[in-house]
Amino acid sequence: QSVLTQPPSASGTPGQRVTISCSGSSSNIGSNTVNWYQQLPGTAPKLLIYNNDQRPSGVPDRFSGSKSGTSASLAISGLQSEDEADYYCAAWDDSLNVVVFGGGTKLTVL
Amino acid sequence: EVQLVESGGGLVKPGGSLRLSCAASGFTFINAWMTWVRQAPGKGLEWVGRIKSKTDDGTTDCAAPVKGRFTISRDDSKNTLFLEMNSLKTEDTAVYYCTTATVPTGGGFDVWGQGTRVTVSS
Repeated sequence: QSVLTQPPSASGTPGQRVTISCSGSSSNIGSNTVNWYQQLPGTAPKLLIYNNDQRPSGVPDRFSGSKSGTSASLAISGLQSEDEADYYCAAWDDSLNVVVFGGGTKLTVL
Repeated sequence: EVQLVESGGGLVKPGGSLRLSCAASGFTFINAWMTWVRQAPGKGLEWVGRIKSKTDDGTTDCAAPVKGRFTISRDDSKNTLFLEMNSLKTEDTAVYYCTTATVPTGGGFDVWGQGTRVTVSS
């Protein structure tokens, strides 16, 4: 069981907007920033969103992040086939003194 | 080019040991906090531990499942990170990634290695 809770799967058709949720607690999301990673099949994770809502250079603005209280969300607009991947949220946990990850959400583009 | 390259993975019997290396290039390694993350087959990402830069006291933190068995160290003269793994268990089977933040990201890891596979099996 992961400390951060994500839905195991999500799906959408090309052009649609999808959101992926990430639920935590006061010791992680509630008191620290959230980062999101995209992992394409057979590759290393890639930083998609940092500091809750910031995009690293090169990440399209179709990807956006938000945080409220002990939950966070990743939104992908204008869905494309190449967005099919696993998505993970992560945050530092002040009680465990570790980085905690969500269990991951497999996004399927129908 | 910023790069992390892991090596040292392989097949090892339960109870055995293995030492992973991660060679860094393209950024100021001596100032970087370096982290190991693993991914068991078909599973999600799991933070293994980190080592701070020596200027930030150089201490290490490890996740509970590996504490006392795994040791993280660094050789700043060779821009290399290490993960010494002892008393290996079958549940340590995973791809091990080294990762870091090369720009201010509030804790997000913007550079990852390609990973090295560790299989613990008799």
